Amino acid sequence: DARVTQTPRHKVTEMGQEVTMRCQPILGHNTVFWYRQTMMQGLELLAYFRNRAPLDDSGMPKDRFSAEMPDATLATLKIQPSEPRDSAVYFCASGLPLTSGGTDTQYFGPGTRLTVL
Amino acid sequence: GEDVEQSLFLSVREGDSSVINCTYTDSSSTYLYWYKQEPGAGLQLLTYIFSNMDMKQDQRLTVLLNKKDKHLSLRIADTQTGDSAIYFCAEKKPGANNLFFGTGTRLTVIP
Repeated sequence: DARVTQTPRHKVTEMGQEVTMRCQPILGHNTVFWYRQTMMQGLELLAYFRNRAPLDDSGMPKDRFSAEMPDATLATLKIQPSEPRDSAVYFCASGLPLTSGGTDTQYFGPGTRLTVL
Repeated sequence: GEDVEQSLFLSVREGDSSVINCTYTDSSSTYLYWYKQEPGAGLQLLTYIFSNMDMKQDQRLTVLLNKKDKHLSLRIADTQTGDSAIYFCAEKKPGANNLFFGTGTRLTVIP
């Protein structure tokens, strides 16, 4: 049963510390998305990759957030330094777009719940 | 409107049908989706419908699409307590990379 995996599932850290979240997309999917979910803002798109290249990271605070795909099986989202307002659930999703023979459907991981004290 | 809109809450009795409504923004959207999120979990894809369809049925789920009114609905027949969750609709706009999500509708099933 193919699924997106994310680690860690929970992270509690102190303000100013670096946080790294990892995602393993479904094998064969060539698009990866990072979303943030909060009660106030709902689901926000942070970044989007296709074939490991970042295509859109306009939703991400550039000064502290960075997203990379070191290889096709790993996507990372880093926050340095972290702040209390970064507390949220961060979701990774992967998919196969229409142009690659897919359906544009995105499959979500279980999320990383981040708490910054 | 600019945002995908959904009612925030819906309560139904176990065994009744639930209908969750959504108004999306772009009449040219290619795919419309319904996701389910249970407490502490990620978003689970329930079903999706291509924009050239009016209806799609999958077991207890029926999706209705009204392109003229940009209205999407999800009907859950014989609603069970396990259906209690937040349901998100989402649209895929032409030319956009990501999905645009509604605020979610929290469905509470009363035993």
